Amino acid sequence: KQEVTQIPAALSVPEGENLVLNCSFTDSAIYNLQWFRQDPGKGLTSLLLIQSSQREQTSGRLNASLDKSSGRSTLYIAASQPGDSATYLCAVSSGTYKYIFGTGTRLKVLA
Amino acid sequence: DTEVTQTPKHLVMGMTNKKSLKCEQHMGHRAMYWYKQKAKKPPELMFVYSYEKLSINESVPSRFSPECPNSSLLNLHLHALQPEDSALYLCASSQPPLRASGGVSTDTQYFGPGTRLTVL
Repeated sequence: KQEVTQIPAALSVPEGENLVLNCSFTDSAIYNLQWFRQDPGKGLTSLLLIQSSQREQTSGRLNASLDKSSGRSTLYIAASQPGDSATYLCAVSSGTYKYIFGTGTRLKVLA
Repeated sequence: DTEVTQTPKHLVMGMTNKKSLKCEQHMGHRAMYWYKQKAKKPPELMFVYSYEKLSINESVPSRFSPECPNSSLLNLHLHALQPEDSALYLCASSQPPLRASGGVSTDTQYFGPGTRLTVL
């Protein structure tokens, strides 16, 4: 059974710092991996989607990497801003329509 | 338009009530999803519809009844719920897998803002 873990569970950093969020999964037979952000009490916003054949994806200040063999993905956020404060979730697809979500990292960027 | 809308935003209901949640998208997506999210937990998949047909039911109790009347609409009918069913209910949509991809999901899921449900 696929299990997805995110470390750290919570993170507080000063504005301007570069930071890395980690996502680990137990079954390397994944088809793709998505990173989302969720603001308190709100829905999820997709940030990046990495197909299993890709190593990384970039969007603005965000860069996500994928290492299937080691069961890991990282989300790199450059020059963090207070508006980046949210919960970040990774989700892996191990089959048609089935996404398993990670436990999430609650990020707070201090002004 | 990359928006998924959900109504109502908040719902309070008693254990004997019948209510419905509604989800709508106009992106031409043919796969639609219901997720349940408890506080400080990740979303958990409940149902998936593909081309208006139920594809996945994750062993959800029958007091939750999904319906997909057309390609843009997804409903979740609620009846005789329990207090532990209180949660944020999220709807999502995506393009269904292409045959060329071997039936694998390759597209981004777009989520609605959710309905905050409280069962008294």
